Amino acid sequence: NAGVTQTPKFQVLKTGQSMTLQCAQDMNHNSMYWYRQDPGMGLRLIYYSASEGTTDKGEVPNGYNVSRLNKREFSLRLESAAPSQTSVYFCASSEAQRGRDFGPGTRLTVT
Amino acid sequence: AQSVTQPDIHITVSEGASLELRCNYSYGATPYLFWYVQSPGQGLQLLLKYFSGDTLVQGIKGFEAEFKRSQSSFNLRKPSVHWSDAAEYFCAVGTTSGTYKYIFGTGTRLKVLA
Repeated sequence: NAGVTQTPKFQVLKTGQSMTLQCAQDMNHNSMYWYRQDPGMGLRLIYYSASEGTTDKGEVPNGYNVSRLNKREFSLRLESAAPSQTSVYFCASSEAQRGRDFGPGTRLTVT
Repeated sequence: AQSVTQPDIHITVSEGASLELRCNYSYGATPYLFWYVQSPGQGLQLLLKYFSGDTLVQGIKGFEAEFKRSQSSFNLRKPSVHWSDAAEYFCAVGTTSGTYKYIFGTGTRLKVLA
């Protein structure tokens, strides 16, 4: 049981490049989330998917898109990366209100 | 709208000493409350949660937290800190409707002196 997995672990992009962060969970959770973590800001929700086939914006969705590919997988795409998107990105999943299970994170630097 | 405040950005304690990390929340009803721990370079791990019932909840790694409605607080405690407890701790509040409304505090970084 791997829990929540994320790829890649590290990524460096140039401004304007695009990339997709991958996330998968094997706990059969309905809900999945993407957060970003910045110093002094805590975790902020980018997008979430309450169930397969649905996605909704969180607090900071601008510059991002998501795809809930199936129940297991939830990807985050940056179409045109900006330095302000330098951050650590966490994927999480949950079932009802049992608390979020987090992946190990992706550290993204945009130069 | 709900909010969470962790007033202490950094806390330093000696190994073996007791620990209390503060968390205050704002929410119109009884919220769901959580504490997470994040070790350097790692994701967040759930320590404990409060949904209803007994206001003193026990978690993993010897942590406990007490929900005090009158003070809108959910402070995390540990009677004797170990060096391995050095990490960042996040309080989070979730609403009782909708799985996505879940707000994190800005975190408290714990340093443990040998």
